[in-house]
Parts: sequence; C-alpha cells; structure tokens
Amino acid sequence: DAGVIQSPRHEVTEMGQEVTLRCKPISGHNSLFWYRQTMMRGLELLIYFNNNVPIDDSGMPEDRFSAKMPNASFSTLKIQPSEPRDSAVYFCASSLGGGVTEAFFGQGTRLTVV
Amino acid sequence: AQTVTQSQPEMSVQEAETVTLSCTYDTSESDYYLFWYKQPPSRQMILVIRQEAYKQQNATENRFSVNFQKAAKSFSLKISDSQLGDAAMYFCAYRSPGASGSRLTFGEGTQLTVNP
Repeated sequence: DAGVIQSPRHEVTEMGQEVTLRCKPISGHNSLFWYRQTMMRGLELLIYFNNNVPIDDSGMPEDRFSAKMPNASFSTLKIQPSEPRDSAVYFCASSLGGGVTEAFFGQGTRLTVV
Repeated sequence: AQTVTQSQPEMSVQEAETVTLSCTYDTSESDYYLFWYKQPPSRQMILVIRQEAYKQQNATENRFSVNFQKAAKSFSLKISDSQLGDAAMYFCAYRSPGASGSRLTFGEGTQLTVNP
C-alpha cells in the first residue's frame, strides 16, 4: 500500500479564496483523522470519521472549515474563505479501529494564506 | 478531557549516549493507550513505540523503550545508543479505549538534537 496520500503537498493562496485539501486513506482503514499543526498550538485534531461518519468535529475552528468523507477512500477538508491565520500544516491520518492500533499519517499539506 | 504534557521543549544528546524524554498525561480513564511518534524534518509522522495501559511490562522496540508509571501518569521514552538519524521532534500521544477509532491527543513535542 502507498500509505495515506494527501494532495497537494504545498498550497499558497490569497486571503478570501477557497482551499480544498484532499486525502486518500489506507485501503481497509475505517477511521480517518484531520489534524492541524502550528508552532503556537502544536497538533490539533480538527475532525475524525469512523466508517465515513463524522464522530467528533469539536476541533473545527469555525464555520469556514468543513470536512467530508463521501466514501471509504476519499476525504476533503475545505476552508472558505481562507484567512492568513489558517496557515499551517494539515495532516490526514487513518487507522484500522482504535485501541493500540497505529494511526498512519500522510505527508501533510503546507498551506500558506497570504 | 485528556491532556498530554511534554515539559521539555528541547533536548540534546551526544551520539551513542542515552537520552530520556518526559511525558505526563491527565485522565480519569483506567484503560487507555499511549504512543510516541517521531517527526523528522521531512515532517512525516512515524510511530516509534506504543503501550497498553493494562500491561505492566514496559514496551521496547530495539533502542527505544518506555518507562510507564501508571499511578504517576507518566510515560517517558528512553533512546539508547543515540544516532544522528534520531534527531527529530518527538510527540507523546494518548488514546482512549474503544472498538472504533478514537482520537489521538498529542503533547506539545520535544525537539531532540543529536550531536556528533
């Protein structure tokens, strides 16, 4: 398996524009997580899905952020409109179940909003 | 809510020496899971080691081992015979029990430098 695949790797956009980040989890994994990493706040969980259903979106900062998982092999995180404070590295991770199972992370998308 | 604290923002070690990274957590749960992840400059998150809270035996993976003190809610990582490739940001993480996927809560991270 190629692992968790995120696209794009880097994104630079202007304030006010819509940004869509994409994630393909590892085949067979039933849990998917979106994290945001910044120097100030570290790694924050934004939302996670189990069997394509959003379980906990309490980490989504505001209504400008939305996430979808239309099927088991694809998820998107959308920011509209984007703001400079959204600049961060966004990680997608997937795992098979919970417990001690490993969560596998993608390479992350570095988002810069200017 | 569970919290994870890493009190050492930065640590350094000489190549071939041993270093211990600290992690404490706060929880009211009796069963849970703990992890150490490594993030090198490539920014890829890599699992280093994991521990089930119900197991008294400390986990070991080659040069990496943990000191799990459940009563003290402490989960430190020991790296023996440090290598240059061990230089990275290290994150401690907590996961609640549950058959379905549940969140990983991360600490702030410790930046490890390995000096030749």
